[in-house]
Amino acid sequence: SQQGEEDPQALSIQEGENATMNCSYKTSINNLQWYRQNSGRGLVHLILIRSNEREKHSGRLRVTLDTSKKSSSLLITASRAADTASYFCATDATNSGYSTLTFGKGTMLLVSP
Amino acid sequence: EAGVAQSPRYKIIEKRQSVAFWCNPISGHATLYWYQQILGQGPKLLIQFQNNGVVDDSQLPKDRFSAERLKGVDSTLKIQPAKLEDSAVYLCASSRPGLAGGSEQFFGPGTRLTVL
Repeated sequence: SQQGEEDPQALSIQEGENATMNCSYKTSINNLQWYRQNSGRGLVHLILIRSNEREKHSGRLRVTLDTSKKSSSLLITASRAADTASYFCATDATNSGYSTLTFGKGTMLLVSP
Repeated sequence: EAGVAQSPRYKIIEKRQSVAFWCNPISGHATLYWYQQILGQGPKLLIQFQNNGVVDDSQLPKDRFSAERLKGVDSTLKIQPAKLEDSAVYLCASSRPGLAGGSEQFFGPGTRLTVL
């Protein structure tokens, strides 16, 4: 079963605008990861946020994590056409040292020039 | 460094036939994963190896799917016999194990399987 649920399912914006995607999950986690998938580059890791972290930045990406609400958000600032892709959150609930991820269904982002 | 390699990239078979996929992980990555991604959904973990031992295969349909990782490097995933609902992209990923707090996974390009 898929633990993460992304919202919205699809998002269409103009270049230069910000895009926000949300992820909710059900059980306690060790970390939460965001991935991007497009036809050109396949599935690529974007950012990992651990359960004891609340916010993390990487370039134009900002991820927040609220473990009390079991939710996370991914913000892409100043979006570009090249950001067009599907974005997945994946939760890791293991504590064994082996990362075992459960992916959500994803948010399809379309950035128009 | 070279990425995760998979072959073939595409495969079309008829139902009840068998098929095999191959994966070569990033050098030095002890953990290897096979995922099934059906159109419009996120990847679903089928099996996870640590070196050549199975860590998790709880979602692998063992009556028709099998996987092995000989010598803790390359891996093969087999489906026998295939069903129409097996049509999907099969993704292989690898990661460095044992990092506190978890680690990212590196994905291959996938094999798109069509079962007719």
